[in-house]
Amino acid sequence: GQNIDQPTEMTATEGAIVQINCTYQTSGFNGLFWYQQHAGEAPTFLSYNVLDGLEEKGRFSSFLSRSKGYSYLLLKELQMKDSASYLCAVRDTNAGKSTFGDGTTLTVKP
Amino acid sequence: KAGVTQTPRYLIKTRGQQVTLSCSPISGHRSVSWYQQTPGQGLQFLFEYFSETQRNKGNFPGRFSGRQFSNSRSEMNVSTLELGDSALYLCASSWEGVNTEAFFGQGTRLTVV
Repeated sequence: GQNIDQPTEMTATEGAIVQINCTYQTSGFNGLFWYQQHAGEAPTFLSYNVLDGLEEKGRFSSFLSRSKGYSYLLLKELQMKDSASYLCAVRDTNAGKSTFGDGTTLTVKP
Repeated sequence: KAGVTQTPRYLIKTRGQQVTLSCSPISGHRSVSWYQQTPGQGLQFLFEYFSETQRNKGNFPGRFSGRQFSNSRSEMNVSTLELGDSALYLCASSWEGVNTEAFFGQGTRLTVV
């Protein structure tokens, strides 16, 4: 099975940088996804990592270390609209099956 | 390109009843996954369908079932509803279901009273 851990809540200041960590223990691994979910809305895709290293996409970056079972999502130049839940998800080797963490609720303050 | 469409958006049912939820994936996507989201349990995987076949299944009781049609539209059914089934049910579609992102619908908010 899969077990995914991420902090429940984080708070940061507008304009700052925040790092949201995700650790996982899995029986199979075929990539790690990060999704953003605003309250009352559907999750939207942010990033995908399957190889070790950093993937950068604008203000958002995601890092993966498969040997450590560890990923982080880095958000730079925080904006108020970044207040949301950030979900870490691990895709199983069985295509189409992903296990989600409980999400990290990020609150950005002025 | 239309996104993932789920119907209905909101539903109120009584304990013991059954319910059917519908999901229309993005055109061309053959993989459809269903998730249950609750405040206490997060996003829990229900099952995934690919080309009309259930390819993966989560750890939910047999009261939860689904199917996929030849046009890739999918339905999930919950029988003998319990209060604990109250949740947001999300459907996600993807092109191949392997190394591709999943696109989520807006979900169906089910309330069991």
